[in-house]
Amino acid sequence: AQKITQTQPGMFVQEKEAVTLDCTYDTSDQSYGLFWYKQPSSGEMIFLIYQGSYDEQNATEGRYSLNFQKARKSANLVISASQLGDSAMYFCAMREGRTGNQFYFGTGTSLTVIP
Amino acid sequence: NAGVTQTPKFRVLKTGQSMTLLCAQDMNHEYMYWYRQDPGMGLRLIHYSVGEGTTAKGEVPDGYNVSRLKKQNFLLGLESAAPSQTSVYFCASSPSLGDTQYFGPGTRLTVL
Repeated sequence: AQKITQTQPGMFVQEKEAVTLDCTYDTSDQSYGLFWYKQPSSGEMIFLIYQGSYDEQNATEGRYSLNFQKARKSANLVISASQLGDSAMYFCAMREGRTGNQFYFGTGTSLTVIP
Repeated sequence: NAGVTQTPKFRVLKTGQSMTLLCAQDMNHEYMYWYRQDPGMGLRLIHYSVGEGTTAKGEVPDGYNVSRLKKQNFLLGLESAAPSQTSVYFCASSPSLGDTQYFGPGTRLTVL
């Protein structure tokens, strides 16, 4: 079974609108971490936001927030007030355990922001 | 701070040739990782290191070797390149195990 599932290969959003990128995960560990990375067309992987499984509050970083629903095993990324520079691939990743050595990545969602 | 850097950015090899990819980080991180990224797939871990002089296998280690002679450097070697190793290779580092990983810009490798 896939550890991380991103079901939206491509998404479009109007500039200044909010968009939600879906991510579901599969683990039997009680302790784990969830990450989102952005990969623009230039290719580098940029860390956006982190959510620990025991964190009670949803993580937020500027215009990024993580909608963490533990019972549903989902960790959706919400980008508010989309900008043209947000056009990129977005990857969800999970670390199992508190100090797991491996990150499991999803297949990514391509986001295009329309002016 | 340069963060994580990778050399080279692009490389084309013929089947059977060997090469070494270099990753360097200036953040004094203990942990370093090599991933490959293929179309339609997420990043997959090749090898990782938990400190100078140590290496361990990840999810897809076959056909690759690594070395961590210095804390700041992590080398990925292909002894006999195969077309199946055509991919984009990313190096990452983190201050501790399980912590956020910071990635280099990637190396695009084509094996003909």
